[in-house]
Amino acid sequence: GAVVSQHPSRVICKSGTSVKIECRSLDFQATTMFWYRQFPKQSLMLMATSNEGSKATYEQGVEKDKFLINHASLTLSTLTVTSAHPEDSSFYICSAVSGGEETQYFGPGTRLLGL
Amino acid sequence: QKEVEQNSGPLSVPEGAIASLNCTYSDRGSQSFFWYRQYSGKSPELIMSIYSNGDKEDGRFTAQLNKASQYVSLLIRDSQPSDSATYLCAVKRAGGSYIPTFGRGTSLIVHP
Repeated sequence: GAVVSQHPSRVICKSGTSVKIECRSLDFQATTMFWYRQFPKQSLMLMATSNEGSKATYEQGVEKDKFLINHASLTLSTLTVTSAHPEDSSFYICSAVSGGEETQYFGPGTRLLGL
Repeated sequence: QKEVEQNSGPLSVPEGAIASLNCTYSDRGSQSFFWYRQYSGKSPELIMSIYSNGDKEDGRFTAQLNKASQYVSLLIRDSQPSDSATYLCAVKRAGGSYIPTFGRGTSLIVHP
C-alpha cells in the first residue's frame, strides 16, 4: 500500500518560534496533499489542500500567514507553523492522494506542543 | 453544506460479536466512500473503500452502501479488543478536484 511519512513525529516549540513539518509520499507521486489538525477527542479538521506547484487552498478560518504550506514536488509538502503559541498545540496530520486515485493515505502525524 | 453524520458512541460490544457502524451523508453526488480506523493518539488508517451499491467484504470487515438511502455502514465480525478505536467515515464526489468530507467518527469499544 501507499506510504506517507511525516517528520518530526513530536516537536516542542518555544513561544514565538516556528516549526516546519514535512510530509512525504514514499512510493507514489502525490498530486494533492491535505493538512489536518486534530485536538484531543475532536474530529479531523481540514486546514488546507495543497496541489503540487500551486498555492494551497485554505479552509475558512485558517490563517494562511500563520500556517505556511509549500508543495514543491510531487512527493513533498511542508507545513510551517509560524510564531507558535500554546493554542497551536495539536496533532497535525497530512494525507496524500495519487493522481487518478480516490483514496487518501495518511501520514503518522506530528504532535506539536507550543509553550 | 456537505455533511457526513456518525453517532459518536461509544458503541460497546462484547468480544466475538458483530459491531455495526453507520454513516449517513447529505451530498447525493457522492461516489466514493471510505472507512478509516483511528487508534487513540495515532493517525487514521484506511480499512475499506466502496463505490457501488451493495456489500463489499474484506476479511472480518464488510462495507455496505445504499446510495438511494444515502448511508454507508461497516460491519466488523468476530470483534476483538484490538478493534477498539474510532471509526471515521469519509465521503467524496468522484474526481481529483473534490475534497473528501469526514464524519466525526464513532468510538468502538470491544470488551473481553
